[in-house]
Formats: sequence, C-alpha cells, structure tokens
Amino acid sequence: DTGVSQDPRHKITKRGQNVTFRCDPISEHNRLYWYRQTLGQGPEFLTYFQNEAQLEKSRLLSDRFSAERPKGSFSTLEIQRTEQGDSAMYLCASSQAGDKNIQYFGAGTRLSVL
Amino acid sequence: DQQVKQNSPSLSVQEGRISILNCDYTNSMFDYFLWYKKYPAEGPTFLISISSIKDKNEDGRFTVFLNKSAKHLSLHIVPSQPGDSAVYFCAPSGDMRFGAGTRLTVKP
Repeated sequence: DTGVSQDPRHKITKRGQNVTFRCDPISEHNRLYWYRQTLGQGPEFLTYFQNEAQLEKSRLLSDRFSAERPKGSFSTLEIQRTEQGDSAMYLCASSQAGDKNIQYFGAGTRLSVL
Repeated sequence: DQQVKQNSPSLSVQEGRISILNCDYTNSMFDYFLWYKKYPAEGPTFLISISSIKDKNEDGRFTVFLNKSAKHLSLHIVPSQPGDSAVYFCAPSGDMRFGAGTRLTVKP
C-alpha cells in the first residue's frame, strides 16, 4: 500500500498528557498537511509543509501544538498538555505541487482526551 | 475567512434519482475546484475536479458544474447509488480550507 499512513489510528490519553502522531506521506509528494476534524465539520487546516519547510500555520494551532517534518519525509504532530477540547480526528494529507494540488488523505488518528 | 460554504448539511435521495450537492465560494483566484468524498472512519478521497476556465466536467455518474458569475459549484450524481452515501466536501485546489460538507444518504 503506497498511500498516506498515520499512526496510531486511535489514541486515548488523560488530560495534561502529551501525545505525538506520525504521518508517512506518499513518497514522491513534497507537500504534507495536518488537519483536525470534529463531528459535523469539514477538515480544519492546522499546518502544512513543503519539503521540510513549515510554510503556514493556522491561528487555530496554539503553542501546545507543534509539527515537524525532518528531512522532508514523514511528519509528526505533537500536542502538549492535552485538553478535552483537543479530542478530534487528526488527518494528514500529502500532495504533489502542480498536480492540481489534489490531497491524498490518511485514515486519521482519533484522539480521545479523558 | 471561510473560502467555501456548503449550506446544506445533509441530503437524502432515493436510489436511482439525481443527487445535487452545492458549494459557494468567495475567492475566484483558484485554478481548480475539487470535490472529495468521505466515508466514516476513513480520510477524504478525491472524487472529481473542475478547472476554473471550464463550466462542466463529467466523469461517469459524476458531473461538476461551475457558475463563475454566481461563484457557485454543484456536484450531480446520477443515478445515485447506496454506495454514494458519504460526506462530500468541496475545496479550491491549493487551498487548505474545506467546506463543512454535505452528508448524502441514498436510500435503496
């Protein structure tokens, strides 16, 4: 399977704990995106990378959230001091610039903060 | 600064009939508009696109219409099938702001 993969698929944590999610994009894609989705809403943009450079961050992305994409390959999204409001599906997508920027999504990581 | 709006949160149609999903946008500076489909417990998948210089794109049962003067897109599915039941999102290409989605239910 050469699609976008995300790990873990589900994460349950207690409030105040730190969590880290991983995304492996399609190998030839140079853009990688993180989104958050809650029930009844579309994907909310968090941040995106072109290669290893983080080009844009949403103002939704508080300082408890940090994302990295070392070497322009896989990416990690870390949430520090989780809050119940962080409970959501976290989606990763990748695209190749120029290919209509069609984004290919992973299945997501569902975070539950108790 | 919502770039796209999908004002119908849900739509229910009978199998075999036409489904019409709508999307309004504010910013005209996009090369393509994209439609994605999302099943539960999966990420969205790309469905069909339309170039901003065209007014129609057809792919099998799916047709996208673009009305530039009204800044309006519509996705037509005909005939609708139960397997089309999903949430549909529109988004301009190169932009990371999706509409809220329309949940389509196709009844057998």
